[in-house]
Amino acid sequence: SSELTQDPAVSVALGQTVRITCQGDSLRSYYASWYQQKPGQAPVLVIYGKNNRPSGIPDRFSGSSSGNTASLTITGAQAEDEADYYCNSRDSSGNHLAVFGGGTKLTVL
Amino acid sequence: EVQLVESGGGLVQPGGSLRLSCAASGFTFSSYEMNWVRQAPGKGLEWVSYISSSGSTIYYADSVKGRFTISRDNAKNSLYLQMNSLRAEDTAVYYCARSPTYSSGWFNDYWGQGTLVTVSS
Repeated sequence: SSELTQDPAVSVALGQTVRITCQGDSLRSYYASWYQQKPGQAPVLVIYGKNNRPSGIPDRFSGSSSGNTASLTITGAQAEDEADYYCNSRDSSGNHLAVFGGGTKLTVL
Repeated sequence: EVQLVESGGGLVQPGGSLRLSCAASGFTFSSYEMNWVRQAPGKGLEWVSYISSSGSTIYYADSVKGRFTISRDNAKNSLYLQMNSLRAEDTAVYYCARSPTYSSGWFNDYWGQGTLVTVSS
């Protein structure tokens, strides 16, 4: 299968920890990457590979993976973290190059 | 500073054609794989097409295969997407995005701001 599945919406209290998950067969073979997208803006890469953050991404963002599930964890969520989050990875089916998850809307309460 | 600037979007009738361009600067364009990713209004991200750094390897999503053509001109630091036989469901913001070579997965580290394509009569 070339699909990645995410929960449509997740909420977290300000300052608490939240985990956003992404499931798919391709994650057994490839790492996921994670993107943050705020309304009207282009996506921004926040995590790639095993657990790598691009320059400028706060260290409260971290990634992990187990089996067919990848997770993005925000430790001490801030108001500015409210956004849509998308996972993506290489497609292991061989039919396509890449696939995105459907996205998770994160609300910070 | 890495910059990706898309252009060429607009309103087109169903069945029509459009050519998108992406001007790259701030990095060695010829060393990077590139992609087009789109986002329909209110919807999620959808990978559209990939081209290797040399242009020798190309992939398309099933939804655009046979209708869209990706290309690049490394001498002009530019990426293109020729879109033919456009349908209403192709309406979206189209982003160009840079992909570092990475065998353990796939990711886009820089994105343009996008160009809106609207297919409507």
